[in-house]
Amino acid sequence: DIQMTQSPSSLSASVGDRVTITCRASQGINNHLAWFQQKPGKAPKSLIYAASTLQTGVPSNFSGSGSGTEFTLTISSLQPEDFATYYCQQYIGYPVTFGGGTKIEIK
Amino acid sequence: QVQLQESGRGLVKPSETLSLTCSVSGASMNNYYWSWIRRPAGKELEWIARINVNGNTNSNPSLRSRVTMSVDTSNNQFSLKLGSVTAADTAVYYCAREFHDSDGYLYVDYWGQGTLVIVSS
Repeated sequence: DIQMTQSPSSLSASVGDRVTITCRASQGINNHLAWFQQKPGKAPKSLIYAASTLQTGVPSNFSGSGSGTEFTLTISSLQPEDFATYYCQQYIGYPVTFGGGTKIEIK
Repeated sequence: QVQLQESGRGLVKPSETLSLTCSVSGASMNNYYWSWIRRPAGKELEWIARINVNGNTNSNPSLRSRVTMSVDTSNNQFSLKLGSVTAADTAVYYCAREFHDSDGYLYVDYWGQGTLVIVSS
């Protein structure tokens, strides 16, 4: 299975901060990477697929980049509703696999 | 708006079969794959299996021998059965929708809220 490693596992930030999360794949996955946001007790929400394509309705302060084995999710200006846990998923390998998550907490 | 809702028994005895159903609203089941994903406590998300309306299925090799999926398009539902469960199958189970990207690979675009299933006697 392709291993997905996210870093950091958690971070503290303030409203307005620029935040970057990294996801590394154990082998090349081209651009077949998705990002999700999850809040406690809520369904995960799809943010990005194909490494950089925003899902409909996702605010433009979210962006994704990368290809091959290293990917980033950037929130350009953190909003109060963005405090959550974020996961990456590779979907070229079989089975699909997920990163361990990055929790963004309020500083 | 697409919504997925899991339902099923929250407590299952060891060696029995876990059964869950996902009800889909706000979208046709055609042209998508419908999947189950779980997160055991303290562990990472694990993709279990998927099915489409034609009954084509894929499942995680680590679980394949115990997984059965079915789809009921007349009721906009799909189901998971996981046999011979042990405590290691205790997890939050999510149903999800998968769609093709431009290269034809399937990614999750909608998730259910998740339901906790505990395996215990």
